[in-house]
Amino acid sequence: GEDVEQSLFLSVREGDSSVINCTYTDSSSTYLYWYKQEPGAGLQLLTYIFSNMDMKQDQRLTVLLNKKDKHLSLRIADTQTGDSAIYFCAETPSGGYQKVTFGTGTKLQVIP
Amino acid sequence: NAGVTQTPKFQVLKTGQSMTLQCAQDMNHNSMYWYRQDPGMGLRLIYYSASEGTTDKGEVPNGYNVSRLNKREFSLRLESAAPSQTSVYFCASTGRGATDTQYFGPGTRLTVL
Repeated sequence: GEDVEQSLFLSVREGDSSVINCTYTDSSSTYLYWYKQEPGAGLQLLTYIFSNMDMKQDQRLTVLLNKKDKHLSLRIADTQTGDSAIYFCAETPSGGYQKVTFGTGTKLQVIP
Repeated sequence: NAGVTQTPKFQVLKTGQSMTLQCAQDMNHNSMYWYRQDPGMGLRLIYYSASEGTTDKGEVPNGYNVSRLNKREFSLRLESAAPSQTSVYFCASTGRGATDTQYFGPGTRLTVL
């Protein structure tokens, strides 16, 4: 079946850039998402990218997609303490109304 | 709009007890999902309902049952709780558009002793 992998933990200093990486196995992945989970809360969509795109930028967030290597990354510029959370990569071949496969999540710790 | 709501927020059960987790959404979404979240394992799909009147098994359905009561509500039942079911449970819903994403409830933290 589909598999989505992420490293479990990342620590950065406030003001630095954070890069969270994700690899996936499903070559038919069409939609790829990044979700953020703050402590004690559910997941919230941060951004998404379609498989026919290489890059998407949204304010401090930059998503890069390397389809050949099945690698997705999320870069957060000027990381703030409020960015401390767990970040989940997710993919689906058919759109969000079908089953979505989530990664294990990367816990981002921002050091003041 | 309240979005996706879940009750209860916290629950402690003894092994063998039963309970139902409730979920409701007010966004007129067709599809609804139940996930469990365990440390280091991300989110795993338990059951989902692509539309009112249909339910399908996900990755980890054993020990659970679901009911899609109407378009708004999707409940998850544990008939005989086991310690392995200690987890945080999330309900989610999504619309029909290709770009629609999943909206998550706040979660239910369940402990089975």
